[in-house]
Amino acid sequence: EAGVAQSPRYKIIEKRQSVAFWCNPISGHATLYWYQQILGQGPKLLIQFQNNGVVDDSQLPKDRFSAERLKGVDSTLKIQPAKLEDSAVYLCASSLTRTGTRTSGIHNEQFFGPGTRLTVL
Amino acid sequence: AQSVAQPEDQVNVAEGNPLTVKCTYSVSGNPYLFWYVQYPNRGLQFLLKYITGDNLVKGSYGFEAEFNKSQTSFHLKKPSALVSDSALYFCAVRDGVSSNTDKLIFGTGTRLQVFP
Repeated sequence: EAGVAQSPRYKIIEKRQSVAFWCNPISGHATLYWYQQILGQGPKLLIQFQNNGVVDDSQLPKDRFSAERLKGVDSTLKIQPAKLEDSAVYLCASSLTRTGTRTSGIHNEQFFGPGTRLTVL
Repeated sequence: AQSVAQPEDQVNVAEGNPLTVKCTYSVSGNPYLFWYVQYPNRGLQFLLKYITGDNLVKGSYGFEAEFNKSQTSFHLKKPSALVSDSALYFCAVRDGVSSNTDKLIFGTGTRLQVFP
């Protein structure tokens, strides 16, 4: 089974420039997540999609970050304009289904891609 | 609010010795707990999870974790460490009751160094 694919693997830009990241989840996975991992910290969820709809974007800095998953498969995350503090690894993850209520009995782990390391100069 | 604490930035252990990586959590309802491992320049890999049932959970690569509700802990353990276990380990929690999303809250990570 192919894993979560991300590109590019590395990106260096200057502040105020724009950048986009791409993610292709595992085939059949309905749920897709974008995380930001700053050096020395754990990943922080930016946005979660269920198919092509947004489930949670409460921690997405919407003045500069945007994300879409138009056809419910692959997704792009964009930063415009970038700031120095955006330097981080951007991780994409997918899971088979959205975990439901407490009684659903199925809680699927998230599978992570290799990440995109962004450096903003 | 949900939170996860990994009190040790780094754990050093000799190969062949048992290892423990500590994790404590705080949630409003019943917790769903996960351990992930991250090797250099690679994404996070799932190790194991606790949802309900037996407090001792067995996972990949010989790792196991013990859920302790009274101490709100979910420590990762392995009876005999390997040099290849050296990596960054993350504990994560999801609130099983109040959360409407699958959002995982991650700890800051613990670097495990196994010496030959």
